[in-house]
Amino acid sequence: RKEVEQDPGPFNVPEGATVAFNCTYSNSASQSFFWYRQDCRKEPKLLMSVYSSGNEDGRFTAQLNRASQYISLLIRDSKLSDSATYLCVVNTKNQAGTALIFGKGTTLSVSS
Amino acid sequence: DAGVTQSPTHLIKTRGQQVTLRCSPKSGHDTVSWYQQALGQGPQFIFQYYEEEERQRGNFPDRFSGHQFPNYSSELNVNALLLGDSALYLCASSMPGQGLNGYTFGSGTRLTVV
Repeated sequence: RKEVEQDPGPFNVPEGATVAFNCTYSNSASQSFFWYRQDCRKEPKLLMSVYSSGNEDGRFTAQLNRASQYISLLIRDSKLSDSATYLCVVNTKNQAGTALIFGKGTTLSVSS
Repeated sequence: DAGVTQSPTHLIKTRGQQVTLRCSPKSGHDTVSWYQQALGQGPQFIFQYYEEEERQRGNFPDRFSGHQFPNYSSELNVNALLLGDSALYLCASSMPGQGLNGYTFGSGTRLTVV
C-alpha cells in the first residue's frame, strides 16, 4: 500500500463548479499534513496546511480526519487559474529528521 | 531575497554516465532535501542534508549520493545513470523552528537519460 494515495483524476470541471479531492495516508504516526499545488513543469508550491479542526483559505477548505487517516480539499467557485495538479502531502518525523511524502497528485482542469 | 536556486535547469546524459546537480538554499536556510519526480508521479524523497551530513534517506540506491558544503549549498550525484533516472530533480530548503510552512522548493533540474 502506498504511503499517500489520492483520487486518480483527472477532474474536468466548468468554471464556478465545486470540486473535492480526497487523500488517504497509511502511517498513523504522520504529524503534519499539507496540500501543494504544482503547475505544469513547475515546482510544487504550498497551497495550505491541514489541521484537525479543518481550515479555510478563501475558496479552499481542507479537512483532516486522523481516525480515518483521510485528508480532503474542497475548492468552491472554481476559476480557470485553479487548473493545476494538487498534491496531498504528509510529514512523519522521526529521530533522523523530517521528510515530505507526496501523493501522486490529482490533475484539475477548469474550463470556461 | 533569492529563493532556492538549482543548476543546471536541463541536461541530457547517456546511460552509464554520472551527473552532478547543484542547489543553493534560500537565504537563512540550513537544511537541504532532494526529491525525484518522474513524469506523472509525485515527488519522491531522496535524502536530506543538515550540518554537512546526510540526516535521512529515502528508498533510493547507493548510486544516489550527495554532499552539503559549509555554506549550506548541496550537490546530488547520480552514478551509472539508467533510463529510469530521467526525471525532474527538486531541491527544497528549510530551517529548524520554521516548520514545514517554510519549506521552499527550487524550480528543479530536468534530467533526461538517453
